[in-house]
Amino acid sequence: DAKTTQPNSMESNEEEPVHLPCNHSTISGTDYIHWYRQLPSQGPEYVIHGLTSNVNNRMASLAIAEDRKSSTLILHRATLRDAAVYYCILAESGAGSYQLTFGKGTKLSVIP
Amino acid sequence: KAGVTQTPRYLIKTRGQQVTLSCSPISGHRSVSWYQQTPGQGLQFLFEYFSETQRNKGNFPGRFSGRQFSNSRSEMNVSTLELGDSALYLCASSLAGARVGGANVLTFGAGSRLTVL
Repeated sequence: DAKTTQPNSMESNEEEPVHLPCNHSTISGTDYIHWYRQLPSQGPEYVIHGLTSNVNNRMASLAIAEDRKSSTLILHRATLRDAAVYYCILAESGAGSYQLTFGKGTKLSVIP
Repeated sequence: KAGVTQTPRYLIKTRGQQVTLSCSPISGHRSVSWYQQTPGQGLQFLFEYFSETQRNKGNFPGRFSGRQFSNSRSEMNVSTLELGDSALYLCASSLAGARVGGANVLTFGAGSRLTVL
């Protein structure tokens, strides 16, 4: 499976934008980039995904580098509720089954 | 609409016992997968079911098994429990069909926390 690299932890001030980086230099042409987050004592929660173009939804934005070897999850205005572990995952396309390979993720702390 | 429901949320067992965990997926979701989360190993894939068939299995011993019913509900079973089986067991469902695209999104339940004494 293609692997991703993320910083172990990051800090942000409340109401400031947060940019969470992810490197995936071995990504294949059909791999989708997914982000999930896990709040304390909860299961992972889907945040956003993309293939080649930048994506926006109500939770966040995903900026994908032109060569697709890296991406950045952008939280436009961090709140205390955004404190979580954020996972950047590559998902294969066209497989007969489906599994996600989670790394250790980035633990985001939000400072009031 | 209701999310993914896992029962029980917490349970305590002793070594050598067996345990069965249940997962009710989101209505209309036919794919159910299971993950184990421990502090040391993180989140690891256990298995995935689609239309009552196991499509894929992670690198876990045969003590870990599962099944899926015709209504897409799923159960996983761990026999002969070991201390190392203490973990959060997460179930996820998705709209994945017979052929799965990389855009497939998983919805996770809150998990079942198993403690083995």
